[in-house]
Amino acid sequence: GIQVEQSPPDLILQEGANSTLRCNFSDSVNNLQWFHQNPWGQLINLFYIPSGTKQNGRLSATTVATERYSLLYISSSQTTDSGVYFCAVRDGGATNKLIFGTGTLLAVQP
Amino acid sequence: EPEVTQTPSHQVTQMGQEVILRCVPISNHLYFYWYRQILGQKVEFLVSFYNNEISEKSEIFDDQFSVERPDGSNFTLKIRSTKLEDSAMYFCASSRHLTQGPNYGYTFGSGTRLTVV
Repeated sequence: GIQVEQSPPDLILQEGANSTLRCNFSDSVNNLQWFHQNPWGQLINLFYIPSGTKQNGRLSATTVATERYSLLYISSSQTTDSGVYFCAVRDGGATNKLIFGTGTLLAVQP
Repeated sequence: EPEVTQTPSHQVTQMGQEVILRCVPISNHLYFYWYRQILGQKVEFLVSFYNNEISEKSEIFDDQFSVERPDGSNFTLKIRSTKLEDSAMYFCASSRHLTQGPNYGYTFGSGTRLTVV
């Protein structure tokens, strides 16, 4: 099945810093989403981005489907950005399930 | 924005007991899912449900698990005889069908944290 790898596994930032999280996937996809899992365990949908670029406030994401990767940019990070960031993909076949990556644990320090 | 609602948010149960986790998917979504996340690990697919039947299930989803859509709004996951290793966060999700339009991302509920003691 499709493999989803995220990097870096852990990241520590000072408040105000910028960061880039990467998601690589091993096969063609027709759905890619970025989620933020907050300290309470909730999965918050950030972007639905199977291709192209989207921006939402301090966050933006770019997916280059032909090269099988996606990037999540966080600018001017805040302590509330802390948590785990997951990307998840649905492959291009008959299956309808999302396959999650292993996540990036982000800690933003004041 | 429409939400997927899960209840309860936390549940503690004795090993061997049956539990039912409940979900109300987004009303115009046609696909429903259960996912599981053991503490500190990634989110794993359990089962998908479409047109009143299971469309796909993982190897985790063995005979002790079952899903049901008992009415037009609820979607449930039953674990018949819980084991210690069933302790996890369980997420319900829903999505539109391809025929409903191009923007068919998945919406996840807030999860039920199940602790088996």
